Amino acid sequence: QSVLTQPPSVSGAPGQRVTISCTGNSSNIGTNYDVHWYQQLPGTAPKLLIYGNNNRPSGVPDRFSGSRSGTSASLAITGLQADDEADYYCQSYDSSLTGWVFGGGTKLTVL
Amino acid sequence: QVQLVQSGAEVKKPGASVKVSCKTSGYTFTRYGISWVRQAPGQGLEWMGWISVYNGDTNYAQKLKGRVTMTTDTSTRTAYMELRSLKSDDTAVYYCARAPTTELDYWGQGTLVTVSS
Repeated sequence: QSVLTQPPSVSGAPGQRVTISCTGNSSNIGTNYDVHWYQQLPGTAPKLLIYGNNNRPSGVPDRFSGSRSGTSASLAITGLQADDEADYYCQSYDSSLTGWVFGGGTKLTVL
Repeated sequence: QVQLVQSGAEVKKPGASVKVSCKTSGYTFTRYGISWVRQAPGQGLEWMGWISVYNGDTNYAQKLKGRVTMTTDTSTRTAYMELRSLKSDDTAVYYCARAPTTELDYWGQGTLVTVSS
């Protein structure tokens, strides 16, 4: 049971927009700890996609965006492409656990 | 360019220990922390802990405290993670990652550790 809750799966057709939610509580996202997002393609290491809630590392397309509000955060992907098909994870810090925590992950399927 | 290169796959028996290395290059080693994350087969990511390369401070996940030790060697720019008293559910791919603050911006390729009798 992950401290941060994500939907197990989402799907969308090429060109569409999808969002992935990440729900926490007052010990993590709700305490203004930054949320980060990672993309993991099959058989590879995770890759940083969004850091500090809404910042993209160099090389990440602007089709990917992040937001945070209250005890939740979201990752939005616009103009879906076939190679966006991957697992996506959110991550933050939890003051009760005094450590970093990941969401359970969301599998994105491009129809 | 920033690179983190991990040691090769390991097979261990229950009760044994494993030590995974993570050799870094392409940046100032002491300016960033290193975190370790593992992923059991077919499962999600689990944060294991963090070490400050600058002063050696550590923060371990509560469920692993007492079994895990993270260290660094600044002379070889290498980070290490040792896990003791291995159990079958420690079977996972273990990743090291660079930590500028709380995000993990560069990752190693992963090391598969299999615990089996």
